[in-house]
Amino acid sequence: QPVLTQSPSASASPGASVKLTCSLSSAHSSYSVAWHQQRPDEGPRYLMNIFSDGSHTKGDGIPDRFSGSASGAERYLTISSLQSEDEADYYCQTWGSGIVVFGGGTKLTVL
Amino acid sequence: QVQLQESGPGLVKPSGTLSLTCAVSGGSISGRNWWSWVRQSPGKGLEWLGEISHSGSTIYNPSLQSRVTISVDRSKNQFSLKLTSVTAADTAVYFCARFVTATSHFDYWGQGSLVTVSS
Repeated sequence: QPVLTQSPSASASPGASVKLTCSLSSAHSSYSVAWHQQRPDEGPRYLMNIFSDGSHTKGDGIPDRFSGSASGAERYLTISSLQSEDEADYYCQTWGSGIVVFGGGTKLTVL
Repeated sequence: QVQLQESGPGLVKPSGTLSLTCAVSGGSISGRNWWSWVRQSPGKGLEWLGEISHSGSTIYNPSLQSRVTISVDRSKNQFSLKLTSVTAADTAVYFCARFVTATSHFDYWGQGSLVTVSS
């Protein structure tokens, strides 16, 4: 089954941009990946699904500040004009061999 | 907009059975999507438990397959989770979610239900 790898943490200043990375195992580099945001003490929220060609579809009400892209086995989530409310854990997710797989999550701190 | 709401006991004794229900509103549980359970142990990441179609077909996480049962009640527009022989390691927040089969991702999540395993 696919394996998803994320950096444990990231940080950026308010108003800046940050690019989070989710790396697919090499044998699964063509897979689509979804990103989910989880604010403290809340359930996850679906942000977008990113395909291998970089195209992406967003969830309901997701601001334009959130965008996605892809390169090889990497799937990126870019957040621009960072706000304090963007401070959260971000998880990538895919499906393969009949099971759902999550990355370990990236904790984003907005300094 | 689809909404999901988990409900069930917040405390389960060791060796007992954890039971949760997810009520779906704003949309029908019937259709092409599947319905999933995901959990999060304190301070940890997300772990997928399994999923069910509206017709009752199921897929489970192999690591928990022997203890997990997911069922659906179309008449009540809800689905349920049972986890048997629980231990303290099963203490977690349990989320239900809708899985879009066409593109293999979750698009709607519940707020979560904390279940503590303790005597």
